[in-house]
This record gives sequence, C-alpha cells and structure tokens, in this order.
Amino acid sequence: DAKTTQPNSMESNEEEPVHLPCNHSTISGTDYIHWYRQLPSQGPEYVIHGLTSNVNNRMASLAIAEDRKSSTLILHRATLRDAAVYYCILRLSPAYSGAGSYQLTFGKGTKLSVIP
Amino acid sequence: GAVVSQHPSRVICKSGTSVKIECRSLDFQATTMFWYRQFPKQSLMLMATSNEGSKATYEQGVEKDKFLINHASLTLSTLTVTSAHPEDSSFYICSARDFGGHKGTEKLFFGSGTQLSVL
Repeated sequence: DAKTTQPNSMESNEEEPVHLPCNHSTISGTDYIHWYRQLPSQGPEYVIHGLTSNVNNRMASLAIAEDRKSSTLILHRATLRDAAVYYCILRLSPAYSGAGSYQLTFGKGTKLSVIP
Repeated sequence: GAVVSQHPSRVICKSGTSVKIECRSLDFQATTMFWYRQFPKQSLMLMATSNEGSKATYEQGVEKDKFLINHASLTLSTLTVTSAHPEDSSFYICSARDFGGHKGTEKLFFGSGTQLSVL
C-alpha cells in the first residue's frame, strides 16, 4: 500500500482556519485520498475523501495537489470539538479492489490541538 | 448517516476470563466488518476482517483462538477475547461498510470502541 506522511502534531487557535498536510508521493492513479479523525476515547469518523479534484463538504475541504503527491485537509474555522487525531489514508478505488481492501490501514496521524 | 453500535464501552475483567464485545450495524446490512485494537498513544491496528456467514480473516500475528470472531448475521459481529490477560488490555474498535444502496460509497463507519482492562 502507498504510504502517507503527516506531521505528528499541530496547533490552531479557535475559530481560525487549519491546514493539515499529507504527503503521499508514491500514490497510484487508482488510490483515493481519505481523511478520518478520531476524537479522544472514540472510534474514528469519516471526514472527507477525493481522487483528483478538490472536495468540499459540511465538515471540511480537501485540496489535492495537481500531481496528487500531496493533499491538505482544511478546517475553515477550528472549534474545540475539532481537537482530534486526523488520519490521511490511501485506498484503492472499489473498481480495482476486492471486499477485503475496504479495510483501512491507519498511520500515526496528526494530533490537532485547538487553543481557546 | 449510517450508525455502528458497539458495546460495552468499557469492561473490566479478571485475568483468565473471557469477554465478548458486540458490534451492530443499526440501519444497514454489513457483510463485512473489521476489528481493530489500539494501545495508548498509538494508532489503530487491524486485527481481523469479519465476513458474514464465513470464517474471519486474521492479520498476521493475531491469534485466532485467542480472539474469536463470529459474524452470524448481516448486522452483528462479535469479538470474544478468550482467557484474557493484562497484555490484552486495549481499546477495541469495530467498523463496517454500508453496501446497501450506496454503490461506490467509500466510507467506513466505526463503533465508539470498547476499553478493555484486564486485572
């Protein structure tokens, strides 16, 4: 599986935008870029995913570099509730994978701290 | 969105006893569920893939006789930690993918986790 590299930790002030980077220089053409986050003592939750184009949803935006070797998760206004570990994960498109590949391989992620 | 219910959220048991953790998909059918464990300040590690109506697939290094997985229905998978020991103390998390009516959906849904403490 292609690997991702994220900073161990980041800090943000409350109500400020946050840009969480992820490097994935060995990404293949069929890999989707997924972001999940894990709040303290909780299971992970889906944030966003994309393939080539930038994506927006109610939680965040995902900016994908033109060469797809990096991406950035953008939280437009950080709140205290956004303090979590954010995981950037690559997954094969369903068209190229079997059922077993729907598992997720988690790296160490980025621990985001939000300062009031 | 889809919901995965996991319980108990916390369990304390004596060494040598067995503990069962349940994972339910509440509003969708899950033919495949995944079980993870997480030690403090570490990332999630996949333990096994649970398939409805068939044997689970275990990751390398995970003892199948130690961690029994049963996926008897499309909405329920259970993980039983047999003869638990203090080193089995960990945070166990299940996840499921919603296949029904969401072709091509990429998202996995996770339970809230079970903190197991073995004394």
